[in-house]
Amino acid sequence: ETGVTQSPTHLIKTRGQQVTLRCSSQSGHNTVSWYQQALGQGPQFIFQYYREEENGRGNFPPRFSGLQFPNYSSELNVNALELDDSALYLCASSLDTEAFFGQGTRLTVV
Amino acid sequence: GENVEQHPSTLSVQEGDSAVIKCTYSDSASNYFPWYKQELGKRPQLIIDIRSNVGEKKDQRIAVTLNKTAKHFSLHITETQPEDSAVYFCAASQTGNTPLVFGKGTRLSVIA
Repeated sequence: ETGVTQSPTHLIKTRGQQVTLRCSSQSGHNTVSWYQQALGQGPQFIFQYYREEENGRGNFPPRFSGLQFPNYSSELNVNALELDDSALYLCASSLDTEAFFGQGTRLTVV
Repeated sequence: GENVEQHPSTLSVQEGDSAVIKCTYSDSASNYFPWYKQELGKRPQLIIDIRSNVGEKKDQRIAVTLNKTAKHFSLHITETQPEDSAVYFCAASQTGNTPLVFGKGTRLSVIA
């Protein structure tokens, strides 16, 4: 196991609702990245946080937002959910080198 | 921005044979190239990585090669076993701590 934990593991939401996903990074890791993995695809970068500051953003609309806390845990918030937001959301924590992934949150929007 | 292409999308091999998965990237500033294995319903797990100052790296049955001039890198799995069956992703980034750009994955099936 990687020491990166995500909650919840599964979630069903209705179109238009808002959702918050959480990630606890591996001890000592100061960087957290979030990825969206649609079925049958590779993970797509959403954004990255380094020491509580957003440190890069992928091609996702502003309704995808996030936070990183002083203990380096992180949240991903998605507003105005759309059906296409249904995916596995992965967070990864890193310090200097390799990124370690959490088990993901499977979000289904109906 | 970076673009990573991965081939093939599916690969079936007999147990004991070798498997090769190839990736190309577009950004010459990329210097870190990890490979992840993802089993059904599980998280991606790093299996091997290589940096641009190295041409080849081995770890038991797994090896990765990198050609920076041609901007391609490959994963080689020898003596495949049924437990190697999974989806494999290549990725690229500028450093180990910058966002990863992933390929679309290769579904490897090892037939006993």
